[in-house]
Amino acid sequence: GNSVTQMEGPVTLSEEAFLTINCTYTATGYPSLFWYVQYPGEGLQLLLKATKADDKGSNKGFEATYRKETTSFHLEKGSVQVSDSAVYFCALSDAGGTSYGKLTFGQGTILTVHP
Amino acid sequence: GAVVSQHPSRVICKSGTSVKIECRSLDFQATTMFWYRQFPKQSLMLMATSNEGSKATYEQGVEKDKFLINHASLTLSTLTVTSAHPEDSSFYICSAGRGAQYEQYFGPGTRLTVT
Repeated sequence: GNSVTQMEGPVTLSEEAFLTINCTYTATGYPSLFWYVQYPGEGLQLLLKATKADDKGSNKGFEATYRKETTSFHLEKGSVQVSDSAVYFCALSDAGGTSYGKLTFGQGTILTVHP
Repeated sequence: GAVVSQHPSRVICKSGTSVKIECRSLDFQATTMFWYRQFPKQSLMLMATSNEGSKATYEQGVEKDKFLINHASLTLSTLTVTSAHPEDSSFYICSAGRGAQYEQYFGPGTRLTVT
């Protein structure tokens, strides 16, 4: 079956530090890959996505590249802000069939950014 | 665009009663809606996939008679927790599927507390 593994958290950084959150996956076929962010007390918001190998998703300074050879989709940001403090989820979606759109989530990584 | 709402945002009920949670796609038609459960500091667990006009597909281990799902229109799905017990207390999140790129848009979640 499909699975997503994220790096263990929590991650604590100072403002303007470089961020990497590792994500690797196991899937059959050609999944789409996503990063979602969840701010305290809120639902998930799509941060970025990539639908095929070598695609780079980017949004709000965050980037992630779909690496099929290493089955990875690591999230990076060059300079984090206090407002980036949240829980980040890596996820994949099956391609087609009765599992259309079904998302498999990683365990989530808590990020705390201090001033 | 692509806004999903949930109602109520918080609900407290007594053990043995039933609670209905609504999920609406406000500005698009969602042929597929998903219901997730999130435990504190844990990832999202998919409970069921709901397709408009047909029976929901439940994930293994989820009691279909306890968690009743109805997807009566392209913009509304409901989750009813029947005969709720304290162990049903959780954060319930819905999402709505849109388009052919497997994007899901998430509602803000409903915090259920069963006393």
